[in-house]
Amino acid sequence: AQSVAQPEDQVNVAEGNPLTVKCTYSVSGNPYLFWYVQYPNRGLQFLLKYITGDNLVKGSYGFEAEFNKSQTSFHLKKPSALVSDSALYFCAVRENSGGYNKLIFGAGTRLAVHP
Amino acid sequence: SAVISQKPSRDICQRGTSLTIQCQVDSQVTMMFWYRQQPGQSLTLIATANQGSEATYESGFVIDKFPISRPNLTFSTLTVSNMSPEDSSIYLCSDRPASNTGELFFGEGSRLTVL
Repeated sequence: AQSVAQPEDQVNVAEGNPLTVKCTYSVSGNPYLFWYVQYPNRGLQFLLKYITGDNLVKGSYGFEAEFNKSQTSFHLKKPSALVSDSALYFCAVRENSGGYNKLIFGAGTRLAVHP
Repeated sequence: SAVISQKPSRDICQRGTSLTIQCQVDSQVTMMFWYRQQPGQSLTLIATANQGSEATYESGFVIDKFPISRPNLTFSTLTVSNMSPEDSSIYLCSDRPASNTGELFFGEGSRLTVL
């Protein structure tokens, strides 16, 4: 079965500094990887995905993620953090099961950006 | 992406009662997914709802507890039956766009508290 791991429960960063939220994956075959963000009392918002092609994927709100096959990682990054980036971030992987695709989510990482 | 609306956005329920959550999509979609997010936890897939067929439930979830309807390509309901405090969660509806690369788009969620 496919899985993703987010090793950090929380990441703290000062506003204006670069941020990284870590994700590692375990899949058979080529991975389809995703990042989502959940703001307080909101649903999940899709940020970006890696399917194939360039290892650096750009997404919404200035976020990007780097796919690293040798390290089986898909870390989320942003060059300069904003206080408004404070939220819960989920990494996910696509799994094909029973003839259809579904998403398997990591445990989530809470990002706190301090002024 | 389609706009997904859920009702109710939140509710407080009594133990032993049942509640039906509605999910409306503003365009026709083949597959809809229902997820549960328990307090402080990640998302867990409950079931996949295809129009015109029985929902497909994930391990640990059964139809008697979480009956699902999918009467057409824009609407689905999830009922949480005979609720207990352990059912207190956010329930999220999602759909998959036609691109079929795997990403899902989510409604705002329905936050249920069972007393």
